[in-house]
Amino acid sequence: NAGVTQTPKFRILKIGQSMTLQCTQDMNHNYMYWYRQDPGMGLKLIYYSVGAGITDKGEVPNGYNVSRSTTEDFPLRLELAAPSQTSVYFCASSHGTVPSSYEQYFGPGTRLTVT
Amino acid sequence: AQSVTQLDSQVPVFEEAPVELRCNYSSSVSVYLFWYVQYPNQGLQLLLKYLSGSTLVKGINGFEAEFNKSQTSFHLRKPSVHISDTAEYFCAVSDINTGGFKTIFGAGTRLFVKA
Repeated sequence: NAGVTQTPKFRILKIGQSMTLQCTQDMNHNYMYWYRQDPGMGLKLIYYSVGAGITDKGEVPNGYNVSRSTTEDFPLRLELAAPSQTSVYFCASSHGTVPSSYEQYFGPGTRLTVT
Repeated sequence: AQSVTQLDSQVPVFEEAPVELRCNYSSSVSVYLFWYVQYPNQGLQLLLKYLSGSTLVKGINGFEAEFNKSQTSFHLRKPSVHISDTAEYFCAVSDINTGGFKTIFGAGTRLFVKA
């Protein structure tokens, strides 16, 4: 199993550009998540999905969009990039509602700089 | 609403010394508790979790944590650290009723093990 994979690893965007961060998991997990990590701030949840076709906002959704057309893929779209979106982005997945499956599996991250 | 406070942002320690990383949480409902570790330039991975039962939880790499309900704490300990334990450690809580997708992460504690 590859687990959770993310592309690209690094990206520099100009203000106002758009891009999609890709996330794929091969563990057949129902739940998927997008977080951003800023220094000293821990992880903030951007969006999450409980299954194909179902997504919902997390704590910091503004400026982002997601879709979940398959169980495996959960891309994150940045429209009109702003310097405040400079961050490290992590995709994660977990199995479902059984407590023993609450553990989240993380991808390696995408480091995004907006200048 | 839940919150997680990691009381130390950085902990320097000498190799083979014991270490404790402190985590307090607040919640109006019952929670599950987690510690994750993030090695440089990697995603987070689960170190250990408390779901129920014994309040002393053992995890990977010789780490353990103790759940103290009265003090709402979940401190992480290791009796003898190695250079390879240098990483950032995150405490996290999940409301037991939300299927794990409302996990709140602390700001992180950077453990630096010196030779």
